[in-house]
Amino acid sequence: GPKVLQIPSHQIIDMGQMVTLNCDPVSNHLYFYWYKQILGQQMEFLVNFYNGKVMEKSKLFKDQFSVERPDGSYFTLKIQPTALEDSAVYFCASSGLGGGAETLYFGSGTRLTVL
Amino acid sequence: AQSVTQPDARVTVSEGASLQLRCKYSYSATPYLFWYVQYPRQGLQLLLKYYSGDPVVQGVNSFEAEFSKSNSSFHLQKASVHWSDSAVYFCALSKNSNNRIFFGDGTQLVVKP
Repeated sequence: GPKVLQIPSHQIIDMGQMVTLNCDPVSNHLYFYWYKQILGQQMEFLVNFYNGKVMEKSKLFKDQFSVERPDGSYFTLKIQPTALEDSAVYFCASSGLGGGAETLYFGSGTRLTVL
Repeated sequence: AQSVTQPDARVTVSEGASLQLRCKYSYSATPYLFWYVQYPRQGLQLLLKYYSGDPVVQGVNSFEAEFSKSNSSFHLQKASVHWSDSAVYFCALSKNSNNRIFFGDGTQLVVKP
């Protein structure tokens, strides 16, 4: 089936550094998402992105977070600067359309550890 | 506000036994409802979804779920589980207008041989 690839699978950085998480969404998909899952807790919506713009973001999407997809390349989540509470698994997802019934395809996640 | 509750953090069953994973939702209208499965070191994969029609929805790998508006529930069922069904199962909902998905906490299913 359709695959969403996330690079890298693990990332360890020092607090205060910048990190970029990369996502290669399903080809021809137009809607992109980031979700955050802290170990043992719920998976929570961060942001969705369409046509070069953030469509909706949650309160977890702090000012230090940004997303972009320059020229159809990777869909990225950048955190600058990082904080200890940013340690989590970040899941990227994509969908063809934006309706409520649309299926999201998820990547395997990037485990971010902030020291 | 909308929310999804999975009351069982972990369920253990024997191979060949039947299974029910519970899910309750809270939303003012009828939402779109989903069950996703997450195998170790993999992303979430859609098992099935419901948005209208027959309240019993068939999914992959012989899973099915039943929507109940009166009970605000969307329980997942399988007649006979296999050891390979061991994974974490997430119930989720999205609103009619967009696909911002709200997930439950997940239920870890352990199938004993």
